[in-house]
Order: sequence, then C-alpha cells, then structure tokens
Amino acid sequence: QKEVEQDPGPLSVPEGAIVSLNCTYSNSAFQYFMWYRQYSRKGPELLMYTYSSGNKEDGRFTAQVDKSSKYISLFIRDSQPSDSATYLCAMRSGTYKYIFGTGTRLKVLA
Amino acid sequence: NAGVMQNPRHLVRRRGQEARLRCSPMKGHSHVYWYRQLPEEGLKFMVYLQKENIIDESGMPKERFSAEFPKEGPSILRIQQVVRGDSAAYFCASSPGQGAGEQYFGPGTRLTVT
Repeated sequence: QKEVEQDPGPLSVPEGAIVSLNCTYSNSAFQYFMWYRQYSRKGPELLMYTYSSGNKEDGRFTAQVDKSSKYISLFIRDSQPSDSATYLCAMRSGTYKYIFGTGTRLKVLA
Repeated sequence: NAGVMQNPRHLVRRRGQEARLRCSPMKGHSHVYWYRQLPEEGLKFMVYLQKENIIDESGMPKERFSAEFPKEGPSILRIQQVVRGDSAAYFCASSPGQGAGEQYFGPGTRLTVT
C-alpha cells in the first residue's frame, strides 16, 4: 500500500463548478500537508500549506485536513479554465522527507 | 524575488555521456531536494542536501548518480554514463531549513537520452 493515495483522474468539470480533490494517507505521523499545482511541462507551484487538522482558505482555494480519517481535500470554488492542471498533494512528518501523491489531472471546460 | 532556478531547462545526451544538472535555491534557503518525475507519475525523492552536506541520498541509485551542494555555487546533480531509462524531468526544490514546512520548486530540467 502506498503511503499517499491520490486518484489520478482525469476530472472534467464545467467552468464555475466547485472542484473537490482528495488524498488519503496511511502514516499517522504526517503533520504538514501541502497542495501543489503543476501545469504541463512546468515545475510544481505551492498552493496551500497546512499544519495538523483544520481548514485553511486562500481566495478560491480551501484546504481541509482530517487527521482522524487520514484524509485531506482541496476545494476550488468558481473553477476557471486556467485551473486546468495536475494537482499534487504532499505531506511530511516532523522530519524533512516529503511524500507526494501521484497527482490528479483536472480539466475545467469553458 | 528570484525563485528556484534550474539549468539547463532541456538537456539531450547520448547513451554513455554525462549529464550535469544545476539548481540555485531561493535566496535565504540552504536546503535543497532533488526529485525525478516520469510521465504520469508522481515526484520521486532522490536526495536531500544542505550546504556542503548530503543528508539523505536514499532515493538515488548508488551507481552513476551523485549530488553536491558546495559552499559557493549551485547544487549539482550528476549522472554518469547515462542510459535511456534516465530520461525524465528532474526537479529541484528548496526550503529555508530542516523542519520548515514549505518547499518551493524550480522549473525542472528535462533530460532526454538518445
């Protein structure tokens, strides 16, 4: 079993929809959770960073962490075609090692 | 506010040649990570370095691959005697310190071995 599981998609939604992206994990020691956006042939761009459980909001993006269920989510409100990309979750424990999901491909249709 | 810089962006090597990839971390960052990404796959950790120290190279093949982060200058990922299977995108990321949460990535170097 992988430490971090992420549905690869692709996920296609109409413009303006609310998008929900998710990751599950198995290591209860993970404390730091990140979401990255990666456009084709570009480097990952950090979108959200959260510590422990709870919600964090930044503009149209909301990150949720549920440590009891070992489940994290990224919500994108009012999705735009420019949001079309691969979204990677990442997490780490108290050490330096980051574990990444394989990414979910999102396509927002105009 | 320069981000993480990598060069070259694209590198073509013939089998058996050496590939040298460079990474300059963000200003104020002294920790560098190297990752490899194959199409449709996630980022695979290769090596973690601080200035003049290799902290963890457990993700890097023991043969042909080496990395350094000298006191002055960029971090270098070196692949000797490249083979077709080395073709991939190699990303560098930096963070301000061990235990600091965020990692910031460079644009990557796409290595093609012919």
